Amino acid sequence: GENVEQHPSTLSVQEGDSAVIKCTYSDSASNYFPWYKQELGKRPQLIIDIRSNVGEKKDQRIAVTLNKTAKHFSLHITETQPEDSAVYFCAASMDSSYKLIFGSGTRLLVRP
Amino acid sequence: KAGVTQTPRYLIKTRGQQVTLSCSPISGHRSVSWYQQTPGQGLQFLFEYFSETQRNKGNFPGRFSGRQFSNSRSEMNVSTLELGDSALYLCASSLQGSSYNEQFFGPGTRLTVL
Repeated sequence: GENVEQHPSTLSVQEGDSAVIKCTYSDSASNYFPWYKQELGKRPQLIIDIRSNVGEKKDQRIAVTLNKTAKHFSLHITETQPEDSAVYFCAASMDSSYKLIFGSGTRLLVRP
Repeated sequence: KAGVTQTPRYLIKTRGQQVTLSCSPISGHRSVSWYQQTPGQGLQFLFEYFSETQRNKGNFPGRFSGRQFSNSRSEMNVSTLELGDSALYLCASSLQGSSYNEQFFGPGTRLTVL
């Protein structure tokens, strides 16, 4: 069945360093890959997404890369700040499935 | 525009009872999805509705059901509650569905089953 694996489960970095979170999806028909940030006690919020016709997308300090052949996609956060501390979820979806399959989440801690 | 709202925010029930949760999507959004979030299982898809039709359903028992009304508001029902149903239930709305448009999540309903 459809599955998204996410690593690492926890990540601790020093403020200013970069953070990378990796996901692997199982269904090659997946073509939409959003990333959500969930702060403690808050709702998940979309921070960036990518479609399968694009290999990389950037938005200020955040970037996502996609390798369709390997079925991998990654979130890159540069110049991390304490407010980046949260749980990050990757997800995958495909046309006409109308559902997101989420990874298990990565708890990112940015140490001041 | 107002965001996605969910009621109630907190619920405490006992085993065997049933519960109904409500979700009001962003105005103009016709797709509503429901997810169960638990520490052990993460975010798991329950079902998705669009224009009152269920378009997809996750791997949950038949005790979990839902519906959508003509104004796009959605409800989910869990019957014969079990301890393992304790979770945060999130709904999310989008214009046409999660595969095509950004999903906006509600604040969730925290269900505790005793």
